[in-house]
Amino acid sequence: SQTIHQWPATLVQPVGSPLSLECTVEGTSNPNLYWYRQAAGRGLQLLFYSVGIGQISSEVPQNLSASRPQDRQFILSSKKLLLSDSGFYLCAWSAGRQNTEAFFGQGTRLTVV
Amino acid sequence: GDSVTQMEGPVTLSEEACLTINCTYTATGYPSLFWYVQYPGEGLQLLLKATKADDKGSNKGFEATYRKETTSFHLEKGSVQVSDSAVYFCALSGSGNTGKLIFGQGTTLQVKP
Repeated sequence: SQTIHQWPATLVQPVGSPLSLECTVEGTSNPNLYWYRQAAGRGLQLLFYSVGIGQISSEVPQNLSASRPQDRQFILSSKKLLLSDSGFYLCAWSAGRQNTEAFFGQGTRLTVV
Repeated sequence: GDSVTQMEGPVTLSEEACLTINCTYTATGYPSLFWYVQYPGEGLQLLLKATKADDKGSNKGFEATYRKETTSFHLEKGSVQVSDSAVYFCALSGSGNTGKLIFGQGTTLQVKP
């Protein structure tokens, strides 16, 4: 069966520090991968998605970037964190077919101080 | 563009009460519709889905029917339990093969004993 791993679970970082969140998927090949952010008390905002290695699409302009160095690895990064980057970050994968569901990791709670 | 609108929360119910969380959507084409549940501090779990008009998705006592004529996908449960307390998200699949999901803002459900 497929599983998705996301780490760390929680992170407290100072303003201006770099960020690297990692997500890996097991049990499937060539998945579509996604990074979502959930601000406190709000819905989910899609940040990035990838349909293949090295292919990244950004949904919103922001201080973050994403990379997909391997088929089942998706990384969210920042060179210098802002206070507004605080939130709950969720990685997800789907089979890439139209109208299919996505499966989510457990999330990373990022607090920028 | 495509969008999902959920009823405002929080929704507070007593145990064994009936639940309805309203969800309406705007979409071109024929999207699939989903309900996800998020327990405190966790990622999203797929609760149920429907892929075409008049389909009924069901799981763990929850049901939702894909109503194309009213563009709705309301979540219902006949008798809620304290363990159902969570945030519920309605979502639809975006167009194309990217697998992107468009989420509503989420509805918090609190069930009291």
